[in-house]
Amino acid sequence: DSGVTQTPKHLITATGQRVTLRCSPRSGDLSVYWYQQSLDQGLQFLIQYYNGEERAKGNILERFSAQQFPDLHSELNLSSLELGDSALYFCASSFHPGAQNEAFFGQGTRLTVV
Amino acid sequence: ILNVEQSPQSLHVQEGDSTNFTCSFPSSNFYALHWYRWETAKSPEALFVMTLNGDEKKKGRISATLNTKEGYSYLYIKGSQPEDSATYLCAFPNAGNMLTFGGGTRLMVKP
Repeated sequence: DSGVTQTPKHLITATGQRVTLRCSPRSGDLSVYWYQQSLDQGLQFLIQYYNGEERAKGNILERFSAQQFPDLHSELNLSSLELGDSALYFCASSFHPGAQNEAFFGQGTRLTVV
Repeated sequence: ILNVEQSPQSLHVQEGDSTNFTCSFPSSNFYALHWYRWETAKSPEALFVMTLNGDEKKKGRISATLNTKEGYSYLYIKGSQPEDSATYLCAFPNAGNMLTFGGGTRLMVKP
């Protein structure tokens, strides 16, 4: 158990809908990262937060947004969903956003858009 | 776009075989190199964070080496066991720990 909790584990929704994925980081970790793994793609970085502030953005679609709350949990909001958004979404956390800090991953949310 | 490549893509070995796989990464702007192990239906789990050229790290039967000048790292598994079956990922972080992952090496160990 990495200590990172993601909910829900599975989500099935229709095209055009909006969903929210939730992540609770490991106790004491201030930095949260979101990654996406689509079919036949490796893990792709979406966005990073550190202590409530957005720190870095990857190839995140404009239809996607995220935030980190004062209690350090984070939510990833996906709207106007398309079939191609079906993927495994991982949250990871580390104490500090330095390259030498290992990231601890949650078990992921598998999103299926039908 | 950073180029992080892993080879081979997949590997089938017999129990007891030793094996190794490669991760290549950009040799400039090096901060660290991470190795993760990802078992099916579980979360990726960090094996090693390697920082210095010539680093060699070991955890049980798994070890890794690092060459930052030429941009590669090797992961070795000695005496593979069925429980070693997993996908092994390397990841190249930027200064802020945004990880660029390789495509992974999927290892299957037959009893």
